[in-house]
Amino acid sequence: IAGITQAPTSQILAAGRRMTLRCTQDMRHNAMYWYRQDLGLGLRLIHYSNTAGTTGKGEVPDGYSVSRANTDDFPLTLASAVPSQTSVYFCASSPGPQVGGDTQYFGPGTRLTVL
Amino acid sequence: GQNIDQPTEMTATEGAIVQINCTYQTSGFNGLFWYQQHAGEAPTFLSYNVLDGLEEKGRFSSFLSRSKGYSYLLLKELQMKDSASYLCAATDSNYQLIWGAGTKLIIKP
Repeated sequence: IAGITQAPTSQILAAGRRMTLRCTQDMRHNAMYWYRQDLGLGLRLIHYSNTAGTTGKGEVPDGYSVSRANTDDFPLTLASAVPSQTSVYFCASSPGPQVGGDTQYFGPGTRLTVL
Repeated sequence: GQNIDQPTEMTATEGAIVQINCTYQTSGFNGLFWYQQHAGEAPTFLSYNVLDGLEEKGRFSSFLSRSKGYSYLLLKELQMKDSASYLCAATDSNYQLIWGAGTKLIIKP
């Protein structure tokens, strides 16, 4: 089934640990995104990639890193997790490159708790 | 700065009509999206407007006024399954999406 998958579905992590959230899409979309969603706040962009081999910083990039080695995969790494990174993380993709009407499609999300 | 405003919560009755408003301020504008998000699930695309006017898609319609920085989502013949959050997002000059916090719509029988 075409779409976006994320792993893990949920995770409880000790502060200071390193964690990689995985995201894979099979729609051959050029652009991919990582968002976090917190109660009462809108989706906030962490990092994005317009095409394989390129990445860019979003609104809240600190404490996170990404890579885009190929079209399908866009992992998000927390180098040293802190409690403020407790959130629901959504990966998304769009046909891109970014133009008006470039619709984003979302993965099911990863619920991360940092203690 | 860039900002999207929409009501936090609305309540409506099954079978009725509800209008969810969204106002936006962005640096540049390249269109406005509406997404639906059921609790615990991912956002899913509903509509995109870039020109002024009303776009109708079955029970859902979306309106845009660029001069007023205003959009609304109109839901007709409400069903219980329409209980969800509705997210408004405007595309800025860099084609980045600026998201509102979402409007939680509660449908009562």
